[in-house]
Amino acid sequence: AQSVTQLGSHVSVSEGALVLLRCNYSSSVPPYLFWYVQYPNQGLQLLLKYTSAATLVKGINGFEAEFKKSETSFHLTKPSAHMSDAAEYFCAVNSNSGYALNFGKGTSLLVTP
Amino acid sequence: SQTIHQWPATLVQPVGSPLSLECTVEGTSNPNLYWYRQAAGRGLQLLFYSVGIGQISSEVPQNLSASRPQDRQFILSSKKLLLSDSGFYLCAWRRPGSENTEAFFGQGTRLTVV
Repeated sequence: AQSVTQLGSHVSVSEGALVLLRCNYSSSVPPYLFWYVQYPNQGLQLLLKYTSAATLVKGINGFEAEFKKSETSFHLTKPSAHMSDAAEYFCAVNSNSGYALNFGKGTSLLVTP
Repeated sequence: SQTIHQWPATLVQPVGSPLSLECTVEGTSNPNLYWYRQAAGRGLQLLFYSVGIGQISSEVPQNLSASRPQDRQFILSSKKLLLSDSGFYLCAWRRPGSENTEAFFGQGTRLTVV
C-alpha cells in the first residue's frame, strides 16, 4: 500500500533558521507526493506537489521539497523560518487505487522568536 | 473558480443522537469527493470517497455512512453518535481522471460528542 511516514511529530526552530520536515514514502509504483499546511481549526492548503516533472519542487511561502528516489524521501525545507510558518504540516501520497490521498500523521512546527 | 463549502463549522452533539454534515463544491463537475477525519496525533484518516452520484467507497468500517445525492453534494451521516466519533471532519474534492492532481479541502467541522 502507498504510505508516507513523517519523522518527528513536533519540530521547533528559531525564527530565521532552516526548516526541515521529513517525509519518507513507501510505494510500489512511481508516487505522486504532496505537502499540505494546516492552520488551527482550518482545512488543508497545498504547499507543493511532486508529479515526476522535476525532482526539486518549489511551492508557496518559500517552501521547497526534493524527491529522492534512492532514499524514498520527500523532505520539506525552507531556508529561513518565519513566525507565520507555525502550523501543522502533512505529507501525502496517492493511494493504490489512485482515487485518494494517504496522509502522514503530521508534523507540528513551532517557530520561536 | 472552484470553491468547497462545508458546514457547520462546529457541532456539539449528545451520544446516541444523529449526525448530518454537508459538503458542496462549486465551479466544477463530476468531482471526486472525500470525507476525512482528523484526530489528534493521528493524521488524516480517509473515511469515504465517491467518484460519482450514488457511488460510495468506504475505507474504514464504522458508525458512519456517506451519500452523494447530487453531483457536487456529499453528506456524512450517523444514526447514533458514539463518543469516539468526536473529531475534526474534512471534506475534499479532486479533479477526476488524473492521479497527480491535488485535493482541495473545506474548512472542516469540529464535532464534539458529549
